[in-house]
Amino acid sequence: DQQVKQNSPSLSVQEGRISILNCDYTNSMFDYFLWYKKYPAEGPTFLISISSIKDKNEDGRFTVFLNKSAKHLSLHIVPSQPGDSAVYFCAASDYNQGGKLIFGQGTELSVKP
Amino acid sequence: ETGVTQSPTHLIKTRGQQVTLRCSSQSGHNTVSWYQQALGQGPQFIFQYYREEENGRGNFPPRFSGLQFPNYSSELNVNALELDDSALYLCASSLGSSGNEKLFFGSGTQLSVL
Repeated sequence: DQQVKQNSPSLSVQEGRISILNCDYTNSMFDYFLWYKKYPAEGPTFLISISSIKDKNEDGRFTVFLNKSAKHLSLHIVPSQPGDSAVYFCAASDYNQGGKLIFGQGTELSVKP
Repeated sequence: ETGVTQSPTHLIKTRGQQVTLRCSSQSGHNTVSWYQQALGQGPQFIFQYYREEENGRGNFPPRFSGLQFPNYSSELNVNALELDDSALYLCASSLGSSGNEKLFFGSGTQLSVL
């Protein structure tokens, strides 16, 4: 039972353009959502998060949008840079379940110069 | 500030053996979580330790066990290794155990079971 899904295994974008990574979830109890970035041979690093009481959170080039009715969130990267090339994981948590994060399968982003 | 460190980085074991993986938390963090990441998948929650007590467990059998020590470092033990246990094992520490805590991950231990 995949509660968090990232249906695009890979995405290729030209440098300077927008990257949009998508994530869907099924559990309506999730109230906190995070994006992590992972480079090869490194652990995931936190990128940005959003609480379920918001529909948008922005941090520099990164913006996360949450559509609770559709159980969908997306990460926008503008403008995309070659250094953004990595695997991006969407994750969700239920406050009552403590620190258990449910991760999606990941989307590998490639930003071409 | 020292980040999360894991040892060893790589390990090869044979089926039926036992393995212990180690993790040092980031300074000031009292919570440690362990995740298993199979090839091509996202990390899956194994369990979490908060102040030396298990504080939540995922869908893993009892042969996966853990410890957290007074200095908040942690061990993951896996008994009776199976081929499907081959994966990257990630340790993450956090300031607390609530659902909205930011996790800081180590680089992982790549376990191969032959």
